[in-house]
Amino acid sequence: GEQVEQLPSILRVQEGSSASINCSYEDSASNYFPWYKQEPGENPKLIIDIRSNMERKQIQELIVLLDKKAKRFSLHITDTQPGDSAMYFCAASPIPGNTGKLIFGLGTTLQVQP
Amino acid sequence: EAGVTQSPRYAVLQEGQAVSFWCDPISGHDTLYWYQQPRDQGPQLLVYFRDEAVIDNSQLPSDRFSAVRPKGTNSTLKIQSAKQGDTATYLCASRKGLGGGQNTLYFGAGTRLSVL
Repeated sequence: GEQVEQLPSILRVQEGSSASINCSYEDSASNYFPWYKQEPGENPKLIIDIRSNMERKQIQELIVLLDKKAKRFSLHITDTQPGDSAMYFCAASPIPGNTGKLIFGLGTTLQVQP
Repeated sequence: EAGVTQSPRYAVLQEGQAVSFWCDPISGHDTLYWYQQPRDQGPQLLVYFRDEAVIDNSQLPSDRFSAVRPKGTNSTLKIQSAKQGDTATYLCASRKGLGGGQNTLYFGAGTRLSVL
């Protein structure tokens, strides 16, 4: 019960449009859901996260939604730019409390076309 | 503030050879993780430590992989007899505390391993 599914695996959008990535998790006790961006040859970097006591969080053009009943969360990038092209990973903590375990999805390659 | 430091950056081995990866976490970060990231896939947790203690190593192939963090600071991940399927980037990450959502996980640049 610790898998995190992430879709789509590849996402191509036109510059200025929105991009959405969806993740689902199995353990209903999961309480923390970060999103990481990884550019080629670089390490993954945290871009936004949400905790289980929230349903929505926005940082500039990044919006994260959490639906605990459906065990789904999603990342929405509004007004995409070429610099948004990268690999994106969602993750979830499958065990409640401070255990530190973080399970990642397989990733989404986002390509923003000018 | 220095980030998570890993070495070497690259390693190329023949099958059956051994290799060690080294990680220096961010100062003050007591929790350290090793992830394996195959090409074009997400990081897969191998093992993580709180100080010098292993918290979870259930995904570490124990017949060939080992990881230690003897003083609760630096850590070493070793592959005893590498296989082609071990080809991946090995990422070390650290955070302060066990998180619960409050403390960001920071990744190192990784070691890219190719097993021929």
